[in-house]
Amino acid sequence: QITLKESGPTLVKPTQTLTLTCTFSGFSLSTSGVGVGWIRQPPGKALEWLALIYWDDDKRYSPSLKSRLTITKDTSKNQVVLTMTNMDPVDTATYYCAHNGDYLLPPDYWGQGTLVTVSS
Amino acid sequence: QSVLTQPPSASGTPGQRVTISCSGSSSNIGSNYVYWYQQLPGTAPKLLIYRNNQRPSGVPDRFSGSKSGTSASLAISGLRSEDEADYYCAAWDDSLSAYVVFGGGTKLTVL
Repeated sequence: QITLKESGPTLVKPTQTLTLTCTFSGFSLSTSGVGVGWIRQPPGKALEWLALIYWDDDKRYSPSLKSRLTITKDTSKNQVVLTMTNMDPVDTATYYCAHNGDYLLPPDYWGQGTLVTVSS
Repeated sequence: QSVLTQPPSASGTPGQRVTISCSGSSSNIGSNYVYWYQQLPGTAPKLLIYRNNQRPSGVPDRFSGSKSGTSASLAISGLRSEDEADYYCAAWDDSLSAYVVFGGGTKLTVL
C-alpha cells in the first residue's frame, strides 16, 4: 500500500525559503523508473506541477519556477525534500507530494496535502 | 493559465452521461498518455484514469477515458450525486523542459 505524507511549516513570511518534506511508504525510490514529485493548488484554483525526482536522481522542474526550486531525496529515509526560495503571498497553496510509477508519466498516488500560507 | 484546456464547468442530471474534454498539443497529449483525476471538495486528487483509458482498481466502470490526436475526453455514465467534484486531466510534455502539465480543471455539478 503506497502512502505519502507532506510535512513542513504552515506559515512562512515573504522572502523566506520554504522547506517541505514528503515521507512515503509502500515503495522504494531506488526502484527503476519510480519518482516522487510535488504539485500545488492555490485556494480555489487549479493544480500546478512543480518538480519531480526519479530513482536515478534525474530531476525535472516547472519551467516557470525552476530558478526557485530544489528537489532532493534521501532513499534510506524514504523522504523527498522540496525547497522554494523567495516566498510570496501568491505562493499560498496546498502542496501535495505524489508518486510517479514510471518515467514520463503523471503521478498516480497522492499525499493528503499541506496548506502553506505566506504572510507577514 | 494551464497548458491543457478544459471547460471550467459541466453539469448533468442523475443517470445522464456527461463528457469532459481536455485539449492539448503535439508535445503533450499528442505524444504521451493522458491521466484523469477526481478531486472531491476538501480532499486530495485521486487517480481516475491512467494511460488514456485504464481504470485503477476500485474505480467504477461508469468512468471511461479516450484520446484522439491532441485531445482527450473523460466520460461519466449513469451520473450520481457523489460524482460532483472537480476533474483534472494531465500529461507529460516533451517540450524543451520536459515536465507534467495539468488542465485547468472542470467543476462537475449534478443537478
